[in-house]
Amino acid sequence: DVQLVESGGGLVQPGGSLRLSCAASGFTFSRYDMHWVRQATGEGLEWVSAIATAGDTYYPASVKGRFTISRENAKNSLHLQMNSLRAGDTAVYYCARGVPGGFDIWGQGTMVTVSS
Amino acid sequence: QSVLTQPPSVSAAPGQKVTISCSGSSSNIGNNYVSWYQQLPGTAPKLLIYEDHKRPSGIPARFSGSKSGTSATLGITGLQTGDEADYYCGAWDSSLSGGVFGGGTKLTVL
Repeated sequence: DVQLVESGGGLVQPGGSLRLSCAASGFTFSRYDMHWVRQATGEGLEWVSAIATAGDTYYPASVKGRFTISRENAKNSLHLQMNSLRAGDTAVYYCARGVPGGFDIWGQGTMVTVSS
Repeated sequence: QSVLTQPPSVSAAPGQKVTISCSGSSSNIGNNYVSWYQQLPGTAPKLLIYEDHKRPSGIPARFSGSKSGTSATLGITGLQTGDEADYYCGAWDSSLSGGVFGGGTKLTVL
């Protein structure tokens, strides 16, 4: 089965750091762009970052300079290093497989809570 | 404030048809593919429509997508109580060089 499983979420203090991971299985990971999307409780979806097959990375202004997306194709893994975390970063973080015009496979999500 | 604009809620009776609109601009919907997602309570989003109108395998033909200019529409026919969910549109924005979503539409099947 094609599957994405996130890990690494938890409680962190404002200004702290956290590293999320996403384990991919059931498909050739290296052939797909990969993304992180987050959702605060009761809110909508917010795209957080993307990494292309060639390694190009993309971020919205809200996280640029604080978050870093990376991939390890040999380990079928996607990562999101999050620094200088703020209360507004509190959300469920999903990794998602990119296809032309969308995200076709989503993980179950991992909760990140930024609070003192 | 979401880049793409959706109505907050829509409702219809079982068996009826409903449409959900998604409005954007030339930098996103106007020149890039639109996708649609269904999110049932407490679960991850699920892709319903990609490349404006294509359905992934396993998605019933009751779900359809269309696009005209800078607006897109999700149609659902033969509504079922199990269709009650939040629905999101999404697209790539060439000006922002990033993904954008609508604020979501809550579908109630009365």
